Amino acid sequence: QQKVQQSPESLIVPEGGMASLNCTSSDRNVDYFWWYRQHSGKSPKMLMSIFSNGEKEEGRFTVHLNKASLHTSLHIRDSQPSDSALYLCAASKANTDKVVFGTGTRLQVSP
Amino acid sequence: GPKVLQIPSHQIIDMGQMVTLNCDPVSNHLYFYWYKQILGQQMEFLVNFYNGKVMEKSKLFKDQFSVERPDGSYFTLKIQPTALEDSAVYFCASSRTGGPSYEQYFGPGTRLTVL
Repeated sequence: QQKVQQSPESLIVPEGGMASLNCTSSDRNVDYFWWYRQHSGKSPKMLMSIFSNGEKEEGRFTVHLNKASLHTSLHIRDSQPSDSALYLCAASKANTDKVVFGTGTRLQVSP
Repeated sequence: GPKVLQIPSHQIIDMGQMVTLNCDPVSNHLYFYWYKQILGQQMEFLVNFYNGKVMEKSKLFKDQFSVERPDGSYFTLKIQPTALEDSAVYFCASSRTGGPSYEQYFGPGTRLTVL
């Protein structure tokens, strides 16, 4: 059964610092990776997606993907207290709509 | 941005009763999904639905579960009868088109407690 592992489980960074979150899929057939952010009591919202090897940047957020190792990472620079949330990594395959989620990394940005 | 609504936000029922969870997807979306999240665990795919039919379902989508979207109204998840292990937060999602590379938009979830 496909699994998506995230690390660390929780992370505390100071305001203005860099947060780095990791995610690895156990399924070699995964083609697409997603990062979602979920504030407490709210719906998960898609932050970034990455489908090709390399790096993608949007504002303070950068994602990396290494398809050979099935590893993706999310980096948040200049972290803000409003970035405090649960970050979910998800993966999907080309022949299915099914998305598999990890258990998440809980990020806390301390003022 | 586009919003998915879920009604109710909380539901408490007795084991063995029927429950219907309602989802109002984004208006021009055609693909609909249900996910289940037990407290402290990851969100898990239950089912997806398109053009009046279940397209895929997981092992978690037991025979007691059913989904429908009659005449473009709410997309519903019905559980009949409910069991204690059905207690979880149920998230609805929708996407404009199918395929694994298209973003799914999530609702805020319905917290179901089965006593």
